[in-house]
This record gives sequence, C-alpha cells and structure tokens, in this order.
Amino acid sequence: GNSVTQMEGPVTLSEEAFLTINCTYTATGYPSLFWYVQYPGEGLQLLLKATKADDKGSNKGFEATYRKETTSFHLEKGSVQVSDSAVYFCALKGGADGLTFGKGTHLIIQP
Amino acid sequence: ETGVTQTPRHLVMGMTNKKSLKCEQHLGHNAMYWYKQSAKKPLELMFVYSLEERVENNSVPSRFSPECPNSSHLFLHLHTLQPEDSALYLCASSQEGRGKNIQYFGAGTRLSVL
Repeated sequence: GNSVTQMEGPVTLSEEAFLTINCTYTATGYPSLFWYVQYPGEGLQLLLKATKADDKGSNKGFEATYRKETTSFHLEKGSVQVSDSAVYFCALKGGADGLTFGKGTHLIIQP
Repeated sequence: ETGVTQTPRHLVMGMTNKKSLKCEQHLGHNAMYWYKQSAKKPLELMFVYSLEERVENNSVPSRFSPECPNSSHLFLHLHTLQPEDSALYLCASSQEGRGKNIQYFGAGTRLSVL
C-alpha cells in the first residue's frame, strides 16, 4: 500500500533560517505529491503540489521537487518567518481514493 | 475561506448520545471525504464519496455512519462513540478527473467524547 514518511518535529528555527522538511514515500505507479499546511485552529490548506517526476511545486517561497529516483518530495524555504509556524503535511494521491498523509511536522519559528 | 464549511466547529457528547457532523462545499466538486485527525497519528481517511456513491470505507467502526444526499453535502452520523473517538474530523472535497485531484479542506469539527 501507499505510505508517506516525514521527519517528526517539532522543528525549531530562528527567523530567516533555511528550512528543509524531509518527505519520502512508497507508492505503486506514479502518484501526485502534495504539501499541506495547517495553522492553529484551522483545517489543512494546500501549499504546493507536483504531479510528475522532476516537477517543482512552489508557493509563498516554499519549494519541493518530485524526485522519483529517491522517492522524495522534500520541502524547502530559503528564509523562514514567524508566520510560517504551523504543522506541515506531506501527502500523496495514487488513484481514485483519498490522500495518504505523513504524520505531520510541527514547525516553530522564533523571532 | 476554502469553500468547504463544517458545522459545528466544536462538539462535546456523551457515549450514549447521537449527533451528526455536517459538511457543505461550494466549489462544484464531485467527490467528498471524511478524515480523522488524532494527536501524533497521520490523518486517517474514513470515507470517500464520488458522484454521491461511497467508494471507500477503510474499516471504520459502524458507530460512524456517513451520508451523502447530494454532491454538495456530506454528513457523518455518530452514535455510541468511545472516548478514543475524540479527535478533529476533517471534511474535504475535490473535482475528480484527469489532472484535477486537489483536495480542499474545511476547518474541521473538534469532537470530545466523555
């Protein structure tokens, strides 16, 4: 079956630091890959996506590249802000069913 | 505002109560989902409805009963729940089709079972 593994937090960084949150997956075929973000008290919001190998998704300064050879979709941002503090979920979709999520990574950015 | 509205936002119920969670999407989508989010666990897919027909039921206990009367509305009926069912229940919708598989989530219902 499908599965997603991501680094567990909390990850604590200072403002303007470089961010990497690792995500690897196991799936049959060619899944689509997603990063969702959840701010306190809210539901999940799509941050970025990639639908095929070597695609790069980007949004709000965040980027992730679909690497089929390493089955990875690591999230990066060059300079984080306090407002980026949230829980980040890596997810995949491989067919007509729902999303398969990782456990989420709690990111804390300190001023 | 994601276009997916869930009510109520918070719910406290006893183990013998019967309650329902409601989800409404204003996006014209043809698929809707229920997920359960518990602390320190991945989001768990509970039910999928595509074109108003249930297409997946991941071994969810029968005390959870979904209903999808039309493509815009999804309910989760709850009865005789257990304390371990306390969680955030998230609804999502999507337009299923080639290249269209982004799910949009509601804010969730925080359920506490006493």
